[in-house]
Order: sequence, then C-alpha cells, then structure tokens
Amino acid sequence: KQEVTQIPAALSVPEGENLVLNCSFTDSAIYNLQWFRQDPGKGLTSLLLIQSSQREQTSGRLNASLDKSSGRSTLYIAASQPGDSATYLCAVKEDSNYQLIWGAGTKLIIKP
Amino acid sequence: EAGVTQSPTHLIKTRGQQATLRCSPISGHTSVYWYQQALGLGLQFLLWYDEGEERNRGNFPPRFSGRQFPNYSSELNVNALELEDSALYLCASSSGLAGAHGAQYFGPGTRLLVL
Repeated sequence: KQEVTQIPAALSVPEGENLVLNCSFTDSAIYNLQWFRQDPGKGLTSLLLIQSSQREQTSGRLNASLDKSSGRSTLYIAASQPGDSATYLCAVKEDSNYQLIWGAGTKLIIKP
Repeated sequence: EAGVTQSPTHLIKTRGQQATLRCSPISGHTSVYWYQQALGLGLQFLLWYDEGEERNRGNFPPRFSGRQFPNYSSELNVNALELEDSALYLCASSSGLAGAHGAQYFGPGTRLLVL
C-alpha cells in the first residue's frame, strides 16, 4: 500500500532564506507527483507536477525534483517571502489507478 | 478562465440529515474528483467521475454518493450525517480519462459542520 510522508511537519524560517521541503513515498510505481499549497481554510493550489519520466520541474522561485528509485521528491523554494507561508502538500498518482495518495503536509511559516 | 467552483462555501447540518455539495469543473474538463479533509487528518479520496460515470471510489461508506451531470458538474450527497463527517470537502477537475494523469485543479471547498 502506497504511503506518502512529508518531513518536517512544520518549518519556520526568516524571510529571504532558501528552503527545502521533503516528500517520500513507499512504492516507486507512480505515474506522477504533484506539489500543492493550501492556505488556511481554503482549497488547494497546484504548484508543480512532475511526470515519472522527469527529474525536475521549475516555476519561478520553485523547483521540484523527483527520484523515483529512492522514493523521494523535494520542493525547493528560493528567496522565501512571507506570502509563501502556507501548508505544502505532495501527492503521488499511482500507475494502477487514477487516485492521488496524499502526504500530511508541511506547514511553512516565513517570518518577516 | 474560471476555475473550479463549489457551493455552498459553508453548510451546517444536524446528525441524521442529508447534505448536498456542488461542484463545477474548469471549462473543458470532464473529470471531477471529491476529497474529504477532516481536521487533523490528511486528504482522503472519495469519488471520481468522468463522462457521467463513477470511475473510482475511496474507502467510504455507501451513504457517501454522488453523480455527474451532462455539463460535467457534479454533486456529492452525504446521507444520515454523522458528527465525524464534519470536514472540508474539496472538489477537483482534470481533463478526463485521456488526461486523467494530468494535474488536478481544486476548488475552494465546502466546509460542512455536523452538529
């Protein structure tokens, strides 16, 4: 059974720092991996999607990497800003079905 | 282009009642997914509809049901509400079976409170 783990559960850093959020999964038979952000009490915003054949995706200050063989993905945020404060979730889509399996999220706080 | 919309934003019901939640996907998307996010728990997959048919179902009791209309909008119905059904219900859409492995785009959610 696929399990997705995100570490750390919470992270607080000063504004301007570069940071890395981690996501690991137990079964490497995935179709893709998607990173989302969720603001308090709100829906999810898709940040990046990495297909299983890809190694990384970039959007602005965000870079996501994928190492399928080791079951790991990282989300790198450069030059963090207070507006980046949110909960970041990763989800993997398995080869066998169309269901997303979710991590519990990392709550990120960027201090001004 | 309008994103995924959900209504109502908030819903208060009492135990035993029925709740109906609605979702309109992004124009051109034929797949709709429903998720439950209970307080302190991660997102749990509920249902997936595509082209009017239920394609997959998560580990939820039958009192959670839904349907998809010809215009691809969707309803989630929860019968015989229980206190633990209180949660944020999120709807997402994607571009259908052929693109079902693509990105899912989420609505703002409906917060259901069962008293």
